[in-house]
Amino acid sequence: QSALTQPPSVSGSPGQSVTISCTGTSSDVGTYNRVSWYQQPPGTAPKLLIYEVDNRPSGVPDRFSGSKSGNTASLTISGLQAEDEADYYCSSYTTSNTFRFGGGTKLTVL
Amino acid sequence: EVQLVESGGGSVQPGGSLRLSCAASGFNFNGNWIHWVRQAPGQGLVWVSRISGDGTTTYYVDSVKGRFTISRDNAKNTLYLQMNSLRVEDTAVYYCARQSNYGFDSWGQGTLVTVSS
Repeated sequence: QSALTQPPSVSGSPGQSVTISCTGTSSDVGTYNRVSWYQQPPGTAPKLLIYEVDNRPSGVPDRFSGSKSGNTASLTISGLQAEDEADYYCSSYTTSNTFRFGGGTKLTVL
Repeated sequence: EVQLVESGGGSVQPGGSLRLSCAASGFNFNGNWIHWVRQAPGQGLVWVSRISGDGTTTYYVDSVKGRFTISRDNAKNTLYLQMNSLRVEDTAVYYCARQSNYGFDSWGQGTLVTVSS
């Protein structure tokens, strides 16, 4: 039950766009449209950004968007802002009826 | 307002036991799967366990099977995690989280469990 694969870090300047990938297998990301994304600033609990690949909960800015192709899901943050600096995690439901998180990606706003 | 408040964390020696609690309010507690997710210091999130709204169905990550037991008391709006045979590698902040539409839409503030001799 290894973690989904995310890049350890990404960076971008204010106003730019960044994309964080999340690669799984046919036992999770590739089978279900049940991928979610979370933002976790230091010292705080995670916050849901995207659920079921590309759905935003109310209150989440439309600068955050999700997509999926095959075994890889992606989170795109457009119009980067300083407050977006945080750790980001993906999660997927699995064929074992469990969930799995990615290893996390640290976003730095330059 | 949805609220989840964990308690019960602390320091324990390897091989010891702890029971975590998660008190829920602001929603129909027995209508949601609830999960435990942990995060070791400086590390990423790891899904641990989940339980159905009626408490009859549970799932665990392999590393805790046979040692941890998730349960809930819907009359008390409370989730539990009984942790036995604790190992050093179980050291983490433990969060409870509500599932909605295959996402975890509400999280507690977490409770720290430290396993050390």
